[in-house]
Amino acid sequence: GAVVSQHPSRVICKSGTSVKIECRSLDFQATTMFWYRQFPKQSLMLMATSNEGSKATYEQGVEKDKFLINHASLTLSTLTVTSAHPEDSSFYICSARKREGVQGTQYFGPGTRLTVL
Amino acid sequence: AQTVTQSQPEMSVQEAETVTLSCTYDTSESDYYLFWYKQPPSRQMILVIRQEAYKQQNATENRFSVNFQKAAKSFSLKISDSQLGDAAMYFCAYRSESSGDKLTFGTGTRLAVRP
Repeated sequence: GAVVSQHPSRVICKSGTSVKIECRSLDFQATTMFWYRQFPKQSLMLMATSNEGSKATYEQGVEKDKFLINHASLTLSTLTVTSAHPEDSSFYICSARKREGVQGTQYFGPGTRLTVL
Repeated sequence: AQTVTQSQPEMSVQEAETVTLSCTYDTSESDYYLFWYKQPPSRQMILVIRQEAYKQQNATENRFSVNFQKAAKSFSLKISDSQLGDAAMYFCAYRSESSGDKLTFGTGTRLAVRP
């Protein structure tokens, strides 16, 4: 299998606080993990790409100081939304690419709904 | 830059019937991969089917098959014997060697299945 988990599934926080979202590949090693943001009724927007042990590569327009990504191991990546504001409320989805396997296939986590009050 | 276009925001199909979702893409690459992902109300993205551009044979996965027309840059998804559980958003996605592992998604097609 290729299972990716995310925690938490839902989080509500106050404006100005920081929120950490974890993404884990449960039954495989992931060389690369991706973080997406999805607004209601819209497609997925890639925020950043992270490789284990190296700095994340952010897409144009994504604030790297606001969305901190740490890819600590081959099975774990974290996204920290710092000093969250209501406009950061969204659905965040991670995906992972298998270290060995069908090239180019990403497996997605179930997503995290963030609500900033 | 590569773009993926899904021109059908919404589609509807009668249960047990067949439906085709359209996807076109723009690229100057010759080696790439195409995917269809399903996103049900749970929001979990599920890989439905993938196609390597160098393969002429259309990919199939049970009731799901694609019509890959490389020259026309078209990659449609056919769902046969539609089931209520097929109701979801369907996203077409593209990946090339030059883009690394990045996926470029279309805007999605919402499929409704009528009982």
